[in-house]
Amino acid sequence: DVKVTQSSRYLVKRTGEKVFLECVQDMDHENMFWYRQDPGLGLRLIYFSYDVKMKEKGDIPEGYSVSREKKERFSLILESASTNQTSMYLCASTLPGRSEQFFGPGTRLTVL
Amino acid sequence: GDSVTQMEGPVTLSEEAFLTINCTYTATGYPSLFWYVQYPGEGLQLLLKATKADDKGSNKGFEATYRKETTSFHLEKGSVQVSDSAVYFCALSDGGGSNYKLTFGKGTLLTVNP
Repeated sequence: DVKVTQSSRYLVKRTGEKVFLECVQDMDHENMFWYRQDPGLGLRLIYFSYDVKMKEKGDIPEGYSVSREKKERFSLILESASTNQTSMYLCASTLPGRSEQFFGPGTRLTVL
Repeated sequence: GDSVTQMEGPVTLSEEAFLTINCTYTATGYPSLFWYVQYPGEGLQLLLKATKADDKGSNKGFEATYRKETTSFHLEKGSVQVSDSAVYFCALSDGGGSNYKLTFGKGTLLTVNP
């Protein structure tokens, strides 16, 4: 079975802190994605990556950056956390050549 | 750009009732269509998919048919159970220049009462 894991289920940070959210997949997937999920807005794509060191902006990249140094790991970085970044963050990955995505359990981030 | 519109919830049903959650889409290419389910406290799981017109996806008693003429992919189940309580997301993947991105609807919360 495909497994996508995220470093934390719950995280509380203070405004202005630098925040790292980690995602790891164990099936050699080339494509990885970061979304945020907010009530009434569904899932919105922040960044995605097709390969190591490759990244592309999604629909709402402002305030975020990403890092993909190894194929299995995709990190989302909040350079200076703000209260409007309080949200559920979901990581996903795909098999090569396939479009259905496999999701991690999510990290619920609260910024105070 | 691509978009997905699904019926707003919440939807509340009694056990064994018939379920329909409507989903329509707008896409420039020939998209693949998906339904994902999110149980409380968990990430999203793929429920079913269809990759071309008139395909029917099915899983766990749920079905959806890809209707190109009406640009729809409605989710149905004949008899819901309490364990079906979850948030359901309709999504598409455009087979064009961005093969691997999904566009999601806003989600529909389903609550099934015993």
